[in-house]
Amino acid sequence: GAGVSQSPRYKVAKRGQDVALRCDPISGHVSLFWYQQALGQGPEFLTYFQNEAQLDKSGLPSDRFFAERPEGSVSTLKIQRTQQEDSAVYLCASSWTGQANTGELFFGEGSRLTVL
Amino acid sequence: AQSVTQPDIHITVSEGASLELRCNYSYGATPYLFWYVQSPGQGLQLLLKYFSGDTLVQGIKGFEAEFKRSQSSFNLRKPSVHWSDAAEYFCAVVTMDDKIIFGKGTRLHILP
Repeated sequence: GAGVSQSPRYKVAKRGQDVALRCDPISGHVSLFWYQQALGQGPEFLTYFQNEAQLDKSGLPSDRFFAERPEGSVSTLKIQRTQQEDSAVYLCASSWTGQANTGELFFGEGSRLTVL
Repeated sequence: AQSVTQPDIHITVSEGASLELRCNYSYGATPYLFWYVQSPGQGLQLLLKYFSGDTLVQGIKGFEAEFKRSQSSFNLRKPSVHWSDAAEYFCAVVTMDDKIIFGKGTRLHILP
């Protein structure tokens, strides 16, 4: 597709379940970012890939959060043993450049996770 | 640490009126600054960006922003708003370790 695609758009999980959120970036984009957006807040940085390399994961809130981009294209954000505080919209963005500061980020519509 | 502050959580203006959304940043050097818009159910879309040069930058949808180093500000403006401009607006800055961080956003309401 022409834009960043995320799935599922909505996910309801019971506390303790594992979830996987998928991001399909724009073809050819080098950089891929994950953000977490809580209700009424701005997006908070989680992690950043350049091709298949995870260059920064300083924003991941705990070791229950794990992200991968094995072939430098599609990325998956996995949350293990979900907690209620994980409820948020998870945004994926991609950029054609290797650096955030020179490229526009193209965002997907997000995956809304609700943990009951 | 770098930060972005959007002092107004909500702004309401009448259709056709002018708009200014405030953004203040904290950064040691010349910052790279962005404004993004998020419409309901949509992904964030870049309105405009400032990297260097002319301090008044033009964006899409008739928006502009002015970088003022002395005030550490990058306010977004539009001379005449349309009902379709109702959305949430985020100011963002690139940090020294190459991440884009966002403010908490300003929700714009338009009165008919």
